[in-house]
Amino acid sequence: EAGVVQSPRYKIIEKKQPVAFWCNPISGHNTLYWYLQNLGQGPELLIRYENEEAVDDSQLPKDRFSAERLKGVDSTLKIQPAELGDSAVYLCASSTVGGDTQYFGPGTRLTVL
Amino acid sequence: AQSVTQLDSQVPVFEEAPVELRCNYSSSVSVYLFWYVQYPNQGLQLLLKYLSGSTLVKGINGFEAEFNKSQTSFHLRKPSVHISDTAEYFCAVSSPWRAAGNKLTFGGGTRVLVKP
Repeated sequence: EAGVVQSPRYKIIEKKQPVAFWCNPISGHNTLYWYLQNLGQGPELLIRYENEEAVDDSQLPKDRFSAERLKGVDSTLKIQPAELGDSAVYLCASSTVGGDTQYFGPGTRLTVL
Repeated sequence: AQSVTQLDSQVPVFEEAPVELRCNYSSSVSVYLFWYVQYPNQGLQLLLKYLSGSTLVKGINGFEAEFNKSQTSFHLRKPSVHISDTAEYFCAVSSPWRAAGNKLTFGGGTRVLVKP
C-alpha cells in the first residue's frame, strides 16, 4: 500500500514569492491534515479536512495561507506571499474518518531567502 | 486543552545500552497516546500507540511504552539500542472523542544520538 505522497520534497524561494505544496493521501483515507514543523519542534496542526470540507482551520494564518481539497482526495497548501519565518517543514498526514492513527508523508522542506 | 512535555531534548546513549524517553501529558479528558519517530529528512513514523487496555504497549523495532494514568506519563523504552535508532522521537496525545477530530498535540521532541 502506497503511503502519503508529498511534493516537492524541497523548495527554496525568495521572500514575497508564492509557493504551493501538494499532498496525496493514502487511498481510502478521507481525513487529511496539514502540519507545520519548525526546526527543533514538534508538528503543529494547520488545517484538517474531512473529504472536501475544512473542519478545523483555526490555526491557519489566513492572511497568507490557503488550502484546498477540491475532490476530497489530493490537497494543496499555498503561501502567498512567503516570509522568512515561513521556513519550516510542511507535513501532510491522513487517516480514515474517525480513525485513531494518522499516517505522515515525508514533508516539504521550505527555505525562504 | 491538551499539552505534552518531553522532559529531555537530547539523549546520548551508547550502542547496546538501554534508553528511556520521558513524556508527560496534561489533559482534562481521557486520551490516546502515541510515539512517533522521525529519521533525518523524513516524515513521522508511528512506533506505538495506547488507546485502552493493557498499560504496557509494545511497538515496532523493539520499543515499548507504559501508560501511567496517575503520573500522566507515557515513557518510551528500549532495552538495547542500535546505531540505526539515532533519530528524533515525538510523543503525542489526542482525544478519543469524535468531535475533537483526532487532533494530535505533539511534544517538542527528544533527539536520540546512539554512539558506537
